[in-house]
Amino acid sequence: ETGVTQSPTHLIKTRGQQVTLRCSSQSGHNTVSWYQQALGQGPQFIFQYYREEENGRGNFPPRFSGLQFPNYSSELNVNALELDDSALYLCASSLQGSQETQYFGPGTRLLVL
Amino acid sequence: GENVEQHPSTLSVQEGDSAVIKCTYSDSASNYFPWYKQELGKRPQLIIDIRSNVGEKKDQRIAVTLNKTAKHFSLHITETQPEDSAVYFCAASITGGGNKLTFGTGTQLKVEL
Repeated sequence: ETGVTQSPTHLIKTRGQQVTLRCSSQSGHNTVSWYQQALGQGPQFIFQYYREEENGRGNFPPRFSGLQFPNYSSELNVNALELDDSALYLCASSLQGSQETQYFGPGTRLLVL
Repeated sequence: GENVEQHPSTLSVQEGDSAVIKCTYSDSASNYFPWYKQELGKRPQLIIDIRSNVGEKKDQRIAVTLNKTAKHFSLHITETQPEDSAVYFCAASITGGGNKLTFGTGTQLKVEL
């Protein structure tokens, strides 16, 4: 059984640019959730994807968008980057309709200059 | 929406002592309460979880208790060891509807020799 993986591990962008982060879910899982973790804080829910559709969204603007692919992997896209977007971006996979326990990937550390 | 408060923000104990971290939640519909341990630079790792149909759950040195009436739940770690030093996050969610996790602000636990 393979765990949740994310790429890249680190990324540096400048304000106004766009970024795409990737997540591969744990084998057997069909749901991917994305979280933003600012330094010293708990993770904040961005959105969740199930069956290739958004299945719930937190308090994040539309410039945060995502995709889920038929193999359940997912992308997080952020447009018009702002300095405050600097954070650790975590994805978590789970099995909808079952225990729904979420297992996290190692995260992508994004720095916006 | 759901709001989770966590106390204390920092906790220092001597090796072998017990540690207790407390969380309260606001949404009475929440029915799933996981606890995650996050070491510096690492992913959040699930250490124990509890569902609303259970009042207490134990796994070796770790236990969680849930009081649905008061809307609070606690993590208990007995016989603490230096490797227990980390940031601990509680979370709450409603399963069956996407299981969006709302996290507390975290507790920095330091186990001193």
